[in-house]
Amino acid sequence: GQQLNQSPQSMFIQEGEDVSMNCTSSSIFNTWLWYKQDPGEGPVLLIALYKAGELTSNGRLTAQFGITRKDSFLNISASIPSDVGIYFCAGQLGTGNQFYFGTGTSLTVIP
Amino acid sequence: DSGVTQTPKHLITATGQRVTLRCSPRSGDLSVYWYQQSLDQGLQFLIQYYNGEERAKGNILERFSAQQFPDLHSELNLSSLELGDSALYFCASSVLTSDNEQFFGPGTRLTVL
Repeated sequence: GQQLNQSPQSMFIQEGEDVSMNCTSSSIFNTWLWYKQDPGEGPVLLIALYKAGELTSNGRLTAQFGITRKDSFLNISASIPSDVGIYFCAGQLGTGNQFYFGTGTSLTVIP
Repeated sequence: DSGVTQTPKHLITATGQRVTLRCSPRSGDLSVYWYQQSLDQGLQFLIQYYNGEERAKGNILERFSAQQFPDLHSELNLSSLELGDSALYFCASSVLTSDNEQFFGPGTRLTVL
């Protein structure tokens, strides 16, 4: 299957700091999604991206669809304790195809 | 709350046994997806059903099977269980088969002893 490399694997930051994480693939995707998973819960969709170069925000979160279509980035500004969780990227090769998930970035926010 | 429900929340069983996991999609969603999440593998797509029919298959073992019923709920059957099958199993749903936005249920944690 497709390999999505997500980095960093984990992050420990101070409350109020900005966070950046990214996801790269060897294949070209036509859709990128970013999810957040809290402990004991299912992933929750944060942002969906459909076009190369697209920049989309959801509150303090901003995600970008890379120009090469092989990567995507997620930024969180002014982090707060409830941002703690695991963030997953997911990519889709084509409409109707399955999604491939990254291995996740674990975020810890220190108050 | 995504609107997707899964039962049971936890399941503990022994090797060699068979279990059934149940999923009810969001109201109006026709597609159901099953995923396995284990510590070392991340989220792995298993299978997708759309309006009662199998639509796509991922890394699903032959010991595993699924179906989607006329009321659109779905069941994932896992048989001849092995220790390595211990994982979180998630169901997700979307409106259409080509819909990009999937909504996940809370998951079923399966422990095989």
